[in-house]
Amino acid sequence: NAGVTQTPKFQVLKTGQSMTLQCAQDMNHEYMSWYRQDPGMGLRLIHYSVGAGITDQGEVPNGYNVSRSTTEDFPLRLLSAAPSQTSVYFCASSSYEGNEQFFGPGTRLTVL
Amino acid sequence: AQKITQTQPGMFVQEKEAVTLDCTYDTSDQSYGLFWYKQPSSGEMIFLIYQGSYDEQNATEGRYSLNFQKARKSANLVISASQLGDSAMYFCAMRGYNFNKFYFGSGTKLNVKP
Repeated sequence: NAGVTQTPKFQVLKTGQSMTLQCAQDMNHEYMSWYRQDPGMGLRLIHYSVGAGITDQGEVPNGYNVSRSTTEDFPLRLLSAAPSQTSVYFCASSSYEGNEQFFGPGTRLTVL
Repeated sequence: AQKITQTQPGMFVQEKEAVTLDCTYDTSDQSYGLFWYKQPSSGEMIFLIYQGSYDEQNATEGRYSLNFQKARKSANLVISASQLGDSAMYFCAMRGYNFNKFYFGSGTKLNVKP
């Protein structure tokens, strides 16, 4: 049981490049979310999903796309990277019945 | 709108003493949940404790307890008998009626002194 996994752990991009951050969970959780954490701040919700085929925007969705074709996977796409997207990105999952949200280890992204 | 406020950017506590980390929240939802997470310097998010808005008793998990005062909209974390390994960032979070939307405070950095 791996829990929530994220790849890559570190990434450096140039302005304007695109990339996909991968997230997978093996707990059969309905809910999955993407957050970003900027220095000295808490986590802010980017996008979330309540099940396969269903996604919605969080607090800071601009510049990011998501899709959820399976229960297990929830990739986050940066369409055209900007320096303002330099951050640590966390993926999380939770079940409808549970109270705990399980977090992945995070991806540290730098945009030059 | 949901909002979480943590007014203590940093705190110091002596080893073996108790410490209280403050958290206030704002929501119009009748049903909600309150959470505390620990983030050590290694960066992972570690779940500590949960309190439901309808729970009549304060939640406890080992050395962690949540002082829930619903009328004052506060959910303070109490750590008893602090240990050096408790040095970390601590985040208060809330989940409202939408189960998948969590809102986080800005965090409190706790330093435990030997």
